[in-house]
Formats: sequence, C-alpha cells, structure tokens
Amino acid sequence: DGGITQSPKYLFRKEGQNVTLSCEQNLNHDAMYWYRQDPGQGLRLIYYSQIVNDFQKGDIAEGYSVSREKKESFPLTVTSAQKNPTAFYLCASSMPGRGNYGYTFGSGTRLTVV
Amino acid sequence: QKEVEQDPGPLSVPEGAIVSLNCTYSNSAFQYFMWYRQYSRKGPELLMYTYSSGNKEDGRFTAQVDKSSKYISLFIRDSQPSDSATYLCAMTILTGGGNKLTFGTGTQLKVEL
Repeated sequence: DGGITQSPKYLFRKEGQNVTLSCEQNLNHDAMYWYRQDPGQGLRLIYYSQIVNDFQKGDIAEGYSVSREKKESFPLTVTSAQKNPTAFYLCASSMPGRGNYGYTFGSGTRLTVV
Repeated sequence: QKEVEQDPGPLSVPEGAIVSLNCTYSNSAFQYFMWYRQYSRKGPELLMYTYSSGNKEDGRFTAQVDKSSKYISLFIRDSQPSDSATYLCAMTILTGGGNKLTFGTGTQLKVEL
C-alpha cells in the first residue's frame, strides 16, 4: 500500500540535543511538507519542498532544518536552537500536477523534551 | 486576524444528531476547499474536497461552500461515535506549481451514545 511513514512515533530529547525525524513516502509525490501541531494552534508549516534538492521555509522555520536528497525522503532536524520543541510533528505529501491538491499525511511523531 | 477561522469546540452531540462544522475565511483568492478528520494521536485524513460554491455529498457527509460569504461548512448526518474526532478545514489558492494549504485550528467533536 502507498503511503507516508513517519518514525519514530515517540521521541524524547534532552536539552541541547539535535534530533532528526524521518519521513518516507512511496506515493511518487513531488511535494513534501513538515507541520507542527500544538493544542489550540492548528497546523503550522515549518518547511516544504516541491522538488528534489530544493526546499523553502514555512511560517516557523527557526530552529529547524531539512534536506531533500531523494524524492521519497524529507527528514526534519530539530536543533538545539528550537526553544520549545515539544509538539506533534506531521509530514505530508502532495501531487498537485494530478489535479488533487489535498495532502496525504503521515501518522506523526510526538517529540518531548525531557 | 487569521486567514481561516474555525470554532474550536468542543462540540458534544448525541448519536444520530446532525452536526454542522463551520469555517470562515478572509482571502477571496482561495479556490479549493477541503475537510480533514483527525483521530487522537493520528495524522489528518482527507474527507472531502470541492472547487465550487454549492453542495457536495458523500454518504453521510455534505460539504458546502459559499464563496460570496467566504464560509464553508461540513454537515454530518446520523452521527456515530466513530465520528468523534477533530475536524480541520483547509483551503488553497491553485497555482501552476505546488500549493500550500491554509488550515483552520480544528473543531473537536464528540458523539455520545
């Protein structure tokens, strides 16, 4: 079955550590996205990529970094510069060229700072 | 002012009720409207999408768009406990390349036996 796989499901980070969240899709979608979800604030866009080797900052990119070396993969690194990283992180993909502008989401990674 | 406003709820209804979930938006350039359902600790899943003003029906779900009022709604008929989830509206401007979605904050729905 095609879909998006996020791992791990739960992640714990110590203060000052960088952590990387994995996102892999086998839908052959061109575009991929990272969102952060906090209670009462909805989904906020961190980074997005429309094509391999290219990505753009979203609304809350500070303290995060990404790479897009392969079409299938879009990992997100939460750096020590992100002061409030505890949140639910969602990866998504889309293929707007096919006339479907909705996103397919992964099941999310819950990151907690300990 | 946010581009998309959505009543956060929570909304609690008895099983079998008709549920109305609503969003308003300020950007008249939005062309494509969606509703997502998100169960607790899961990713959102696309329920319905529509381009035009009017109604679109899919089983117990009806999506309604009124572009003149900048208002969209999702109606759920004969609501079931399995409908208990957070519902997110989303919308986008169609461009030649990729599109970014603008989401509402979500309405939490509980359908009780």
